[in-house]
This record gives sequence, structure tokens and C-alpha cells, in this order.
Amino acid sequence: QKEVEQNSGPLSVPEGAIASLNCTYSDRGSQSFFWYRQYSGKSPELIMSIYSNGDQEDGRFTAQLNKASQYVSLLIRDSQPSDSATYLCAVNIHSGSARQLTFGSGTQLTVLP
Amino acid sequence: DGGITQSPKYLFRKEGQNVTLSCEQNLNHDAMYWYRQDPGQGLRLIYYSQIVNDFQKGDIAEGYSVSREKKESFPLTVTSAQKNPTAFYLCASSTHSSGVPILAKNIQYFGAGTRLSVL
Repeated sequence: QKEVEQNSGPLSVPEGAIASLNCTYSDRGSQSFFWYRQYSGKSPELIMSIYSNGDQEDGRFTAQLNKASQYVSLLIRDSQPSDSATYLCAVNIHSGSARQLTFGSGTQLTVLP
Repeated sequence: DGGITQSPKYLFRKEGQNVTLSCEQNLNHDAMYWYRQDPGQGLRLIYYSQIVNDFQKGDIAEGYSVSREKKESFPLTVTSAQKNPTAFYLCASSTHSSGVPILAKNIQYFGAGTRLSVL
């Protein structure tokens, strides 16, 4: 079983819709959760971080964390074509160092004009 | 401008050759990391360093070597023992500063990457 799992997609949504991206993780001791956006050929950029159960909102982005169910999700409201990218979920899995991150394989999102 | 600089942007390796990828940061971050990304895949950790003169193997360290002689620099050498080096290499850093909330110390920031191909 992979430590961090994401649906690879591709996920397509029409412009203006809500895009929902999901991620599950295996380590119940994980405390830090991140969403990175990666445009094709570019490096990942951090868009959201969340550390406690519930919702964390930043503009059109909402991260949701449920530690009991071991999943974290990202909602993108009013999706725009510029949101088309691969979204990487990252979790701090305890494996020797408390500051390592384990990344999922990413979900490719396409927002259709 | 504070940031992480990787060079070169593109690199070509001949068979049997060692090549070195540069990573420099001026963020005063303590920890630095090297990842490899293959097409359609997530990031896999090669090596990481939390302090100067100390580094640890990640999940896929075979065929790679690193050094951390200065806080600002964490070069990665892809040796001839790495038989399939074609990939996108990403360097990242994070801070241990006492002024940062402890959970936020896991946040990693990335350089622009180096794309390595084999001739």
C-alpha cells in the first residue's frame, strides 16, 4: 500500500465549477498536510497547508482534513482554466526524520473553458 | 530576491560520466532536499540534509551522492552507477527557525528544477 495515494485523473471540470481533489495517507501519526500545484514542466508551488481537523480556506481554495478517516482534500471553487495543473498531496510521514515529506503521484486537473 | 536557484536548467550526460547538479538557496534555511520526478509520477526523495556536514539517504539514493559543506549549497552528483538518470530533478529547502510554528517547519519550497537527459 502506498503511503500517500491520490487519484491520478485526469479530472476535467467546466470553468466556474468546483473541482474536488482527494488524498489518503497511511501514517496515523502524520501532523502536517500540504497541497502543491505543479504546472507542466515547472516545479511544485505550495498552495495550501493544513494541520488540524476541519477546513482551511484561502481565497478560492479550501483544504479539508479528517484524521480519523486519514484523508485530506482540496476544493477549488469557481475553477479557472489557469487552475489546470497537476496537484500534489504531501504528508509528513514519520520515517526517521520528522521533517520528511512523502508525496502522492498527483492528480491532473483540466478546467475546460 | 530570496529563493532557491538550480543550475543548469537542462543537462545532458554521456554514458559513464558523472554530472553535478547545483542547488543554492539564500533563504537561510537549515534543511535541503533532492527529489527525482519521472513523467506522470510524484516526487521521490534522493537525499536530504538537515544541517551542514550531515546528510541522509532518501528512498532512492543508489547512484547518487551529495555534499553539504555550506548552509547555502547542496549539490547532487549523478554517478555513472545510476543507469537510468533521465528525469526532472528538484531541490527544496525548509527552515528550522525558532520563529516558525513547529508544524510549519515541514513546509518545503522548491527550485525551478534541472532536466537531465542521457545522450
